[in-house]
Parts: sequence; structure tokens; C-alpha cells
Amino acid sequence: DAGVIQSPRHEVTEMGQEVTLRCKPISGHDYLFWYRQTMMRGLELLIYFNNNVPIDDSGMPEDRFSAKMPNASFSTLKIQPSEPRDSAVYFCASSPDISGNTIYFGEGSWLTVV
Amino acid sequence: RKEVEQDPGPFNVPEGATVAFNCTYSNSASQSFFWYRQDCRKEPKLLMSVYSSGNEDGRFTAQLNRASQYISLLIRDSKLSDSATYLCVVNTGFQKLVFGTGTRLLVSP
Repeated sequence: DAGVIQSPRHEVTEMGQEVTLRCKPISGHDYLFWYRQTMMRGLELLIYFNNNVPIDDSGMPEDRFSAKMPNASFSTLKIQPSEPRDSAVYFCASSPDISGNTIYFGEGSWLTVV
Repeated sequence: RKEVEQDPGPFNVPEGATVAFNCTYSNSASQSFFWYRQDCRKEPKLLMSVYSSGNEDGRFTAQLNRASQYISLLIRDSKLSDSATYLCVVNTGFQKLVFGTGTRLLVSP
């Protein structure tokens, strides 16, 4: 079975450029999560969707970040304009529920902004 | 105060040792608790859920202390392959999962 698929796996971009991260959740999972992980702050929830609807975006750092889920099989996280402090690993995860023991992560998108 | 706090470590132990990690949480209404494992440069994966009565899975034992608001993970007979970061995860009851920053374990020969 295919797991959560993220792309790109690695991206290096210059400050000020737009970055788009993509995610395909596991089929049948109603919840999709975007997390950011850094050494200093650990794993932070940015936003999550239930049935394609954003439920909690309180973790989105600022207006430069936006996330969409146009359908059940695709989501994007966009950063525009990017800044060096956005350098992190961005994980997408999906789950059939919100319990915590059924959440599956993608392999992550490693973003470096120079 | 952070919602979920863990000692970042690293905990350096020899093979065969027993090691324990604690994790504290601030929201007394938190409903469920988990330990996730994250290998270097990999994604987190569920290790085990933590039940009120405590639970054991092979060499791993997880316990919950609601009165003191902490959960623990005990690893017996440590293996080299146990080297990883262990993330404490709390469902705060607001339909939100909060991850701790993780405790790093290094098991040496």
C-alpha cells in the first residue's frame, strides 16, 4: 500500500522565492496534517484538514504561509516569499481519525532557504 | 510552560542497559497519549499508545500518571537498533495532537 507521498523530497531555494510543497495522503484518510520540524522547536503542527476543510490553522506562522486541499487526494503548502528561517523539514501526515495512534507521516520535504 | 515537555538528552547507554524517559504535559484534560519513534532523517512512526493501566510491548513499557501529569517509557535490554529520538505525543482534547521535542537515545556497543 502506498503511504503518504510528499514532493519534493529536497529543495534549496533563494530567499524571496516561492516554495510549494505537495502531499498525497493515504486513500480513505479523512485527516491531513502539515507539520514543520526544526532542531530548536521540534515538531510543530501548522494546519490540519478534515474532509478537505481547514480545521485549525493556528500554527501557521504568518501570512507568508498558506495551505490548500482542493480534493481528498492532494494538498499543498506554499511559502511566499520564503526566508532563511523557514528552513526546516516539512512533514505531511494523514489519519482516518484524530486519535493519535493512526497517524502516518510522509518522508518529509527538506527545505533550505539561502 | 510548554504543552508537552521532554528532556532532549542525549541519553547514552550501553547495550543491555535499561533506560527510562519521562514526558510531562500541562493540560489536565488531555485524553490520550502516545510514544513515537523517529530515526535520524526519517519520519516519526508510532511506537506505542499509553494506557491508564500501563502497557507493555516486548522490551518496552509505557505508563501514565494522570495525577502528576506525566508519561514514561521504559526500555529494557537496550539494543543498538533502539538508537533514535523518542517523541511524546499528547491529544490535548481539543482535537489537537501535540508533539514533544523528543528525547534522543544513543545505545553503544
